[in-house]
Amino acid sequence: GNSVTQMEGPVTLSEEAFLTINCTYTATGYPSLFWYVQYPGEGLQLLLKATKADDKGSNKGFEATYRKETTSFHLEKGSVQVSDSAVYFCALTTPQGAQKLVFGQGTRLTINP
Amino acid sequence: DTAVSQTPKYLVTQMGNDKSIKCEQNLGHDTMYWYKQDSKKFLKIMFSYNNKELIINETVPNRFSPKSPDKAHLNLHINSLELGDSAVYFCASSQAQVGEAFFGQGTRLTVV
Repeated sequence: GNSVTQMEGPVTLSEEAFLTINCTYTATGYPSLFWYVQYPGEGLQLLLKATKADDKGSNKGFEATYRKETTSFHLEKGSVQVSDSAVYFCALTTPQGAQKLVFGQGTRLTINP
Repeated sequence: DTAVSQTPKYLVTQMGNDKSIKCEQNLGHDTMYWYKQDSKKFLKIMFSYNNKELIINETVPNRFSPKSPDKAHLNLHINSLELGDSAVYFCASSQAQVGEAFFGQGTRLTVV
């Protein structure tokens, strides 16, 4: 079946550090890939997405590239801020199962000033 | 102007009670969902409706019954609540075949 695996958290960084959160997937067909972010006490917000191989999604300084050869969609940011502290979820949908998102387990990120 | 709104935001109730959570979306989407987030933040789909028709029911106990009176609403009714039902429940909507979903702010259910 379809699944998403994220790096274990929690991740703690200092402000202005470089961030990478790893995400790999298993899917039949050609999935669309997403990163969602959940700030404390809030719902999930779409951060970025990519719908085909080699696409790069970007938003708010975050980037992720759809790598079909390594089945990965790692999230990166060059210089994190305290306000980036949140839980980050990698997720996918497939054309066969486009009616639902399959999520990774989430990675809690804390940025210290 | 909230795109996906669900009520209540917090719900504390005793074991054995019956409760409902309501969800409405004003995005014109044709597909709505209920997701459950456990204490470890893991998110799993429970139900999906497309144009008021149930299309996903992921091994959820029969005590959980979704109802979609129209495309813009998807409510969740839970009978005979158990301690293990304590979680955050998220409603979401999307346009079918697009994949990107918009989420409500969540309902934190606590069963005591």
